[in-house]
Amino acid sequence: GQNIDQPTEMTATEGAIVQINCTYQTSGFNGLFWYQQHAGEAPTFLSYNVLDGLEEKGRFSSFLSRSKGYSYLLLKELQMKDSASYLCVVRAGNNRKLIWGLGTSLAVNP
Amino acid sequence: SQTIHQWPATLVQPVGSPLSLECTVEGTSNPNLYWYRQAAGRGLQLLFYSVGIGQISSEVPQNLSASRPQDRQFILSSKKLLLSDSGFYLCAWRDLDRAGANVLTFGAGSRLTVL
Repeated sequence: GQNIDQPTEMTATEGAIVQINCTYQTSGFNGLFWYQQHAGEAPTFLSYNVLDGLEEKGRFSSFLSRSKGYSYLLLKELQMKDSASYLCVVRAGNNRKLIWGLGTSLAVNP
Repeated sequence: SQTIHQWPATLVQPVGSPLSLECTVEGTSNPNLYWYRQAAGRGLQLLFYSVGIGQISSEVPQNLSASRPQDRQFILSSKKLLLSDSGFYLCAWRDLDRAGANVLTFGAGSRLTVL
């Protein structure tokens, strides 16, 4: 079957660094996405990894290890506006369907 | 630049009533369009996708239907709503220009409550 696991909730302090982990078990792999979703709003694209390694984009970085079925999203210099749900999404299978994780709700405290 | 509009933003409907949610895209032609539903405690569920006018693929058999009467218009409908249809409905289009990433850009969403 297809499965994505990520923690349900995390809490961090403003200015700190937080790492949100994602593990996946899928038949085939064609890329991994991270989306950010603020409460009551639509998801917005953050990052994309298809090869192993780290992709850095400003305060956000995303890492992928295909052999381990593992990714993480790293958020640096946390701001209050980073309080949101972070969705791990894998494109898998011959038909390249998207499999969505349930999201990690991150609360940034002052 | 491309923009995606979705309405209505919120609606409360009685069980058995019809539904119509509309989505339009601007600034692109022949987009791939999607309808997703996000229910409480569940991941995003793909309902329908369309690669062109009149071309609809259904991912989940249910009492919902979709239509694409124009290139940039995608409509989600139901003749008779069920309680289980409550959720956050999201229209999206696939950006094929983002270096092969095929990123989805979502509309603002329509929150449906069926009572």
